[in-house]
Amino acid sequence: SLVLTQPPSVSVAPGKTARITCGGDDIGSYSVHWYQQKPGQAPVLVIYYDSGRPSGISERFSGSNSGSTATLTISGVEAGDEADYYCQVWDSSSLHVVFGGGTKLTVL
Amino acid sequence: EEQLLESGGGLVQPGGSLRLSCAVSGFTFTNYAMNWVRQAPGRGLEWVSSFTVSGGNTYYSDSVKGRFTISGDKSKLTLHLQMNSLRADDTAVYYCVQSRSKFLNDAFDIWGQGTMVTVSS
Repeated sequence: SLVLTQPPSVSVAPGKTARITCGGDDIGSYSVHWYQQKPGQAPVLVIYYDSGRPSGISERFSGSNSGSTATLTISGVEAGDEADYYCQVWDSSSLHVVFGGGTKLTVL
Repeated sequence: EEQLLESGGGLVQPGGSLRLSCAVSGFTFTNYAMNWVRQAPGRGLEWVSSFTVSGGNTYYSDSVKGRFTISGDKSKLTLHLQMNSLRADDTAVYYCVQSRSKFLNDAFDIWGQGTMVTVSS
């Protein structure tokens, strides 16, 4: 079944751009969703259907998906963006939801 | 305001059972897919099960299939997860999650606060 691979950690200086990748076999043919989770809190949806942004989510969050990689981009990174980020898809072949392993974003 | 409130977590011995409940408020229960996602201590998110409320279709991860049962009570606006034959590796915070729509490929939109399940002797 589909496996989603994320880098364990990404570090970025404040004000710079963070890119968090989610790799998978032909992931471009799937709809990818992204979640942010801060310590002790439930996850929050930040991107849906590759690039959609829910109401209340900063415009600094954007997403793209093509080929074998989906990417969550956070521009103008702030200290408050420090969190774990997870990608997720629905695999219609296996009838399973699949999560990536998560990426810890550190703001230097 | 849409809200999900989980209950039923606790400490259980290996081989035992627990029933989690998720009370739904602020939205039409039958218009959405509902899900359970868990997170073991210090680990990532793991999908457990999904349920299409309108159609009554159920889906399970390989790790819980045959042991867990998801169900919904439309009259009481409640989602349940019956967990049997519990194992130590089922220890986790269990989140009740509402999808953005009734479609299984849609995103997980509203998350409950989570309920802790500990399987230990």
